Amino acid sequence: QSALTQPASVSGSPGQSITISCTGTSSDVGGYNYVSWYQQHLGKAPKLMIYEVSNRPSGVSNRFSGSKSGNTASLTISGLQAEDEADYYCTSYTSSSTLVFGGGTKLTVL
Amino acid sequence: QVQLVESGGGLVKPGGSLTLSCAASGFTFSNYYMTWIRQAPGKGLEWVSYISPSGGSQYYADSVRGRFTISRDNAKNSLYLQMNSLRAEDTAFYYCVRFYYYHYYMDVWGKGTTVTVSS
Repeated sequence: QSALTQPASVSGSPGQSITISCTGTSSDVGGYNYVSWYQQHLGKAPKLMIYEVSNRPSGVSNRFSGSKSGNTASLTISGLQAEDEADYYCTSYTSSSTLVFGGGTKLTVL
Repeated sequence: QVQLVESGGGLVKPGGSLTLSCAASGFTFSNYYMTWIRQAPGKGLEWVSYISPSGGSQYYADSVRGRFTISRDNAKNSLYLQMNSLRAEDTAFYYCVRFYYYHYYMDVWGKGTTVTVSS
């Protein structure tokens, strides 16, 4: 159950777009379309942003989008806003019927 | 509204035991898989365990298998995590989370409870 690989940090200016990658293996990210993304502001519980690779829950801004290619999933945030500054985590279902998280990415809005 | 409230966290010595509880409200608890997620201080999220609606199926992370037991009482709308043989590395914030099986995502999170394992 090795953690998925995410960049430790990314940054962008307001209005720009950023992409956070999440790399796994064919036993998790590459093998299933069950990647989800969570946003966590400091001191708060995580919030679901994307599920099943590219689906947005009701109430989540359409500035958030997800995709996948091979063993790597990506979260893109367009039109960056100050409120987007947070930690972001990906997670995937695995071939062992378990879940695995990425190490998390700290997004800084410059 | 849909709500999950954890309780039972605290300070425990290495090798000790603790049971976390999670009270669910605002949805039909017995219809949903449930899961525990933890977060060590300053660290990332780690999946711990999940349980089927009936309680008949449970899955665990390698790091806790054999030491932790997840269970539920649908009559009480409650989820539990019994933690035995606790280690310093189990120190974390523990979240109770509603889990959509077959889609494998988590949509409702509690506010969490803190477990500290220290002598």
